[in-house]
Amino acid sequence: AQSVTQLDSQVPVFEEAPVELRCNYSSSVSVYLFWYVQYPNQGLQLLLKYLSGSTLVESINGFEAEFNKSQTSFHLRKPSVHISDTAEYFCAVSNFGNEKLTFGTGTRLTIIP
Amino acid sequence: DVKVTQSSRYLVKRTGEKVFLECVQDMDHENMFWYRQDPGLGLRLIYFSYDVKMKEKGDIPEGYSVSREKKERFSLILESASTNQTSMYLCASSGQPNQPQHFGDGTRLSIL
Repeated sequence: AQSVTQLDSQVPVFEEAPVELRCNYSSSVSVYLFWYVQYPNQGLQLLLKYLSGSTLVESINGFEAEFNKSQTSFHLRKPSVHISDTAEYFCAVSNFGNEKLTFGTGTRLTIIP
Repeated sequence: DVKVTQSSRYLVKRTGEKVFLECVQDMDHENMFWYRQDPGLGLRLIYFSYDVKMKEKGDIPEGYSVSREKKERFSLILESASTNQTSMYLCASSGQPNQPQHFGDGTRLSIL
């Protein structure tokens, strides 16, 4: 069965500093990868996705993630964070042809002014 | 834009009650999902449905059932609520396989 590991449950970062949120998954078969963001008292919103093609994917608000098949990783990065990035971030994986997602346990990103 | 609407944001019920959580999506999606979210555990799949009247168990179906009589509506039922079912419940929908799931805002359910 697929599993997803988010190594850091909480990440505090100073405003305008870079950040990396780590995600590793277990399966070596064809996978699709997602990052979701959850702002306080809201549901999850899709941040970015990797389905195929370029291994580097970007979101509209400056985040990017790189699919690394050999390391089974999909780490999320942003070169300069803002207060508004304070949220919980979830990595999720699905296997090819499977509608179900497996989620990591989430990383709470706190931005320090 | 896809809209997934959950009927209640907050709900308080008593142990032993039968509880219904409703979810409606407006994008004609085939797939619908119910998750519960608990601190430190992430999202865990309770049930999902890939068509009207079709359902499959997820990872933690015990104590829950579901109903999908119409394509746009997916209901989660707690047959006899217990305190360990106090949680945030999230509904989601998706269209084609491996396309992103779209989430509602969640229902925070407290069982007293």
